[in-house]
Amino acid sequence: QVQLQQSGPGLVKPSQTLSLTCAISGDSVSSNSVGWHWIRQSPSRGLEWLGRTYYRSKWNNDYAVSVKSRISINPDTSKNQFSLQLNSVTPEDTAVYYCGRNSYGAYGYWGQGTLVTVSS
Amino acid sequence: QSALTQPPSVSGSPGQSVTISCTGTSSDIGSYNRVSWYQQPPGTAPKLLIYEVSNRPSGVPDRFSGSKSGNTASLTISGLQAEDEADYYCCSYTNSITYVFGTGTKVTVL
Repeated sequence: QVQLQQSGPGLVKPSQTLSLTCAISGDSVSSNSVGWHWIRQSPSRGLEWLGRTYYRSKWNNDYAVSVKSRISINPDTSKNQFSLQLNSVTPEDTAVYYCGRNSYGAYGYWGQGTLVTVSS
Repeated sequence: QSALTQPPSVSGSPGQSVTISCTGTSSDIGSYNRVSWYQQPPGTAPKLLIYEVSNRPSGVPDRFSGSKSGNTASLTISGLQAEDEADYYCCSYTNSITYVFGTGTKVTVL
């Protein structure tokens, strides 16, 4: 049974970096058949796909255009987890952040969600 | 990438059927079968109901079914039950090598 456990701060100051981690159990971050994604949800923007990392003979990343200049998603094979870093945050980045496992284009497993508030 | 368009709300009485539409473009739904649907009760993470347009994961009741025609995907809930009251979202892969979600639909059981 796959489980995703998120960790990270719930409060980030404007202009700083949002950092979250998603620990994987029951699967491998290096699996060559799935992808590991970050998604966020806010009342103003709804569900918004942020990006992914996945392994297909080498590591690959894809990011949403809306955050491409500020985002980084990285795997950590030693800890079987992956992380999200979002730089230069503003109050508009306030949202519930989810990590997800994507297989056949769908998210069968989600993290528990982390409410991140951007405020001084 | 603009969000996929869903009706804000649909409602039905217990036992009835309701259908939620999800309209995209030829750059997403119209080009790929990587369309999925999710149910989200308040305060919880979304739960996968349908993947690849019409496939149900194990454990999802067959009251939930999906289909696609052109740039529009649909989710039908047959035999509506009180426990089906939740928000529902569609999602599609796009030709920009990204994913896009729908605007969400609140299902109310009358």
